[in-house]
Order: sequence, then structure tokens, then C-alpha cells
Amino acid sequence: QLQLQESGPGLVKPSETLSLTCTVSGGSISNTNYYWGWVRQPPGKGLEWIATVYFSGTSYYNPSLKSRVTISIDTSKNQFSLNLRSVVAADTAVYYCARRPSPGRGFDIWGQGTLVTISS
Amino acid sequence: QYALTQPRSVSGSPGQSVSISCTGSSSDVGGYNYVSWYQQHPGKVPKLMIYDVSKRPSGVPDRFSGSKSGNTASLTISGLLTEDEADYYCNSYGGSYTSVVFGGGTKLTVL
Repeated sequence: QLQLQESGPGLVKPSETLSLTCTVSGGSISNTNYYWGWVRQPPGKGLEWIATVYFSGTSYYNPSLKSRVTISIDTSKNQFSLNLRSVVAADTAVYYCARRPSPGRGFDIWGQGTLVTISS
Repeated sequence: QYALTQPRSVSGSPGQSVSISCTGSSSDVGGYNYVSWYQQHPGKVPKLMIYDVSKRPSGVPDRFSGSKSGNTASLTISGLLTEDEADYYCNSYGGSYTSVVFGGGTKLTVL
């Protein structure tokens, strides 16, 4: 059974960089049938797609966040990561990592999510 | 502000049917057959209910169905159960640049 697990600090100071890692277990992140992505949800608000990456390193970004975001993949560790620079309070959210079968299809498997609070 | 427009709330009684709309544009919903729907109970992880407009993942009851007409997609839930009370989000492919767009979510209340 494929599982995804987010990890990273729960508190980040404004203007710093938010860094999260998603560890994939029960399957290979190098599977050519899947893409891997990040979605966030501010408290009490809706879902927002952040970025998606393929095992080859090809990446796709939300245009509204692209200037601050980097997504990367480490196939040797079966992990992919998110870096969000110059964070502000509005970046406070639950961050989910998830899998999707193609850039167009739905996210079919999700991690449990991790709350990241931006505060000094 | 979300790229796809959903009603903020809908309601229905047990046993009834409800539909939730998701309106986008020809650049997303209308341009591709890649609309997905997610169910999210409070404090829980989103769950994929519909993908590719009308396909159900294994384990999703056939009470849940999806459709699309032009730039508007719809999720229909028939034979409402109290456990269907949740937030529902639509999601569409937006092309190679935008890639993924979400709706703002709809709160379903089962009265």
C-alpha cells in the first residue's frame, strides 16, 4: 500500500524559507506512471495547488507562487521536496503531498498533511 | 480567489439527490476531460471521488457521479447519507502552464 508522509518544521519565521519533504513508501517514486505534487490549505479555506514534479525532474508550478517555489525529487531516497522562499503569514497552511497519474488527472493518494505556521 | 467557481453551500435531505457545479473556462474545464472531485470531512485528508470528469476510483459508491457540459462540471450525489456531509472541491487541468486549478469548495449539509 503506497503511503506518503510529509516532514519538516511546523514553525517558520517570516521572510525565511519553508522546506518540506515527502517520503514515499510502499512503492517507487521513479514509477513512470505517476507525478508527485504539493497542495496546501490555509486554515478554514480551500485547496491550492503549489507544484508537481516527475521522476525525471520535470516540474510544473502554480503561476501565482512560481517566483518563490522550488520542487525537487530525489529518487535515491524515494523523496520529493518543497522550498517556499520569503514566506509571509498568508503562507500558514496545512501542506499536503500527493500523487497523481498524470499532470491532468486527480490526486489519488495523499499524505496526512502537516501544519506550517508562519510567525516570529 | 479561485480559478473555478463553486457554490459556497448546498443542502439536501437523506435519500435525496444534490448536484454541485464547478464553472471554469475553455482554458480548463471546457478544454480538457480532466475534472476531478474531492470530498473532505473536517480535519481530514481530501479523498478523490471522481476523476476524468466521470470515473470513480475503486471503493467510491456509485451514488457519486460526475458530468460536464461546456465550461461547467457537476458532481451529483444520489441517495444522500448523513456521512456525505462534507466539503467538496473540484479540480481541473489548466493546460501546460497553469496545470492544476481548484474550485473554492462547497459545503454540503445533509439536513
